[in-house]
Amino acid sequence: NAGVTQTPKFQVLKTGQSMTLQCAQDMNHEYMSWYRQDPGMGLRLIHYSVGAGITDQGEVPNGYNVSRSTTEDFPLRLLSAAPSQTSVYFCASTPLGRAWETQYFGPGTRLLVL
Amino acid sequence: RKEVEQDPGPFNVPEGATVAFNCTYSNSASQSFFWYRQDCRKEPKLLMSVYSSGNEDGRFTAQLNRASQYISLLIRDSKLSDSATYLCVVNHETYGGSQGNLIFGKGTKLSVKP
Repeated sequence: NAGVTQTPKFQVLKTGQSMTLQCAQDMNHEYMSWYRQDPGMGLRLIHYSVGAGITDQGEVPNGYNVSRSTTEDFPLRLLSAAPSQTSVYFCASTPLGRAWETQYFGPGTRLLVL
Repeated sequence: RKEVEQDPGPFNVPEGATVAFNCTYSNSASQSFFWYRQDCRKEPKLLMSVYSSGNEDGRFTAQLNRASQYISLLIRDSKLSDSATYLCVVNHETYGGSQGNLIFGKGTKLSVKP
């Protein structure tokens, strides 16, 4: 199993540009989530999904959209990038209903918005 | 008050030292507790889950005090390879046992020196 994969690894955007961060997992996990990590802030939840067709907002959802058309994929879209969205983005997955288990994180996408 | 608070770092210790990390959480409904390890520029990875009875994994011991809403991690005989940031994480399971979301502390950086 590849686990959780994320693309791209690095991205530079200009303010106002849009892009999609890709996340995929091959473990058949129902639950997937997106976090951002900023210096001194810890990881903060952006959006999450408990299964295909179901998404919900986390702590910091503004400026981001998500969709979940398949169990495997959970893309994160930035509609109009802002410098405040410069961060490291992690996608994670875990089986549903087993909150005592670990979440598996992807390697992250480093995003710089100029 | 932040939901999960950790000791401020960094901790700089010599090889072989014993080091303890502390963490407090504010939501008494929290159900699951973890310590994650994050290496520089890498994704978080589960170090160990924390159980009410306390648990040990080699040189690592985790303790949970629900009454005080306090979690600890003890590392004995520190190795150079233990250098990393240690994240205290709690999970608020929602009603009915459905998936909760991870709440991360900001992390404590450990640097083990020769």
